[in-house]
Amino acid sequence: NAGVTQTPKFRVLKTGQSMTLLCAQDMNHEYMYWYRQDPGMGLRLIHYSVGEGTTAKGEVPDGYNVSRLKKQNFLLGLESAAPSQTSVYFCASGWTGGNYEQYFGPGTRLTVT
Amino acid sequence: LAKTTQPISMDSYEGQEVNITCSHNNIATNDYITWYQQFPSQGPRFIIQGYKTKVTNEVASLFIPADRKSSTLSLPRVSLSDTAVYYCLVGPRFEAAGNKLTFGGGTRVLVKP
Repeated sequence: NAGVTQTPKFRVLKTGQSMTLLCAQDMNHEYMYWYRQDPGMGLRLIHYSVGEGTTAKGEVPDGYNVSRLKKQNFLLGLESAAPSQTSVYFCASGWTGGNYEQYFGPGTRLTVT
Repeated sequence: LAKTTQPISMDSYEGQEVNITCSHNNIATNDYITWYQQFPSQGPRFIIQGYKTKVTNEVASLFIPADRKSSTLSLPRVSLSDTAVYYCLVGPRFEAAGNKLTFGGGTRVLVKP
């Protein structure tokens, strides 16, 4: 079991460029999440999904889009990157929502110049 | 969701017991208390979850008093490798509408030799 994997691990973008972060899980979890973590801060929820084909907004969704076409994958897109989106992005998955155990990926460190 | 308050940082020494208290005065009847551990450059990892009294696993113990307005994570005989940020989360265990938990800033624990 690979658990939760994220691609890529690092990325540098110029302002205005676009990119997609890929999250994959092999635990057959229904719920998947995208968080961002800024230096010295806790995690903030960007978007989440309660099942294949569904997505919903979290705490800080502006500037991001997501898709969950397959149960095992959750994609996070940045259409026009801004320096304020420089952060570490974590994907997580879980059997259900709420305060239930979430399994996190290793993170993607994104720098926007 | 219940707001949580935890100390920003704590220092300890190898072999000591570390106790981190989280305050959650407005915890709801169906809320659970969960603790995560995050090492530098890694995603958070689930440590323990509880509803009332005491829960113990191979990593930690969680003490919850009868009024449930606070909880204490206890790490026995810490080692240098326990240096991490510890997050307390409070919320209903099952959330049909999706996860709206927030991680907050956490408690930075530094274990010294």
